[in-house]
Amino acid sequence: QQQVKQSPQSLIVQKGGISIINCAYENTAFDYFPWYQQFPGKGPALLIAIRPDVSEKKEGRFTISFNKSAKQFSLHIMDSQPGDSATYFCAASMGTGGFKTIFGAGTRLFVKA
Amino acid sequence: ETGVTQSPTHLIKTRGQQVTLRCSSQSGHNTVSWYQQALGQGPQFIFQYYREEENGRGNFPPRFSGLQFPNYSSELNVNALELDDSALYLCASSKGGTNEKLFFGSGTQLSVL
Repeated sequence: QQQVKQSPQSLIVQKGGISIINCAYENTAFDYFPWYQQFPGKGPALLIAIRPDVSEKKEGRFTISFNKSAKQFSLHIMDSQPGDSATYFCAASMGTGGFKTIFGAGTRLFVKA
Repeated sequence: ETGVTQSPTHLIKTRGQQVTLRCSSQSGHNTVSWYQQALGQGPQFIFQYYREEENGRGNFPPRFSGLQFPNYSSELNVNALELDDSALYLCASSKGGTNEKLFFGSGTQLSVL
């Protein structure tokens, strides 16, 4: 119940295309869903996050779509660029009073120039 | 504003030894969380420190222990090292005992031989 399942494991997208990464969770107590981006040799960096009271959040080229009834959420990267090539992690936590974040296994994105 | 810094960046130990990893939190952050990231996996929560006390713990044995100091910096100690402890250890800082908006350091790569 504490797991966050992420797919695909890896993704290759042409420059300018849309990258889509999906995640699913089971614990309905989760109320904060962040996405992190990690480059080799670096720690994860917060990209964008959403709470379950909204169905979509957009920041620049990055959009989270959230489906509360299906317990699924996804990251869309519009106009993907080679600089977006990194590993992306979805995550979930019980933000209010919660102390830990559960991470998905990650998606390695490669954007071809 | 200083970011999260971790030391050392790399460490090689032998099975059975003990290790101490260090973390300085981001300016203005009073909460430190530690995560273990195995190769090709998402970070796994070890524990969190807030106001110099352990605020929550993941599924790690007692040989993983920690400290937080009055300046909010933190240490992770691992006793009786096992081969499976080989991983990237990440420190993340945040505010107010929560795990939202985690700011990660670049990690310490620990190899146990």
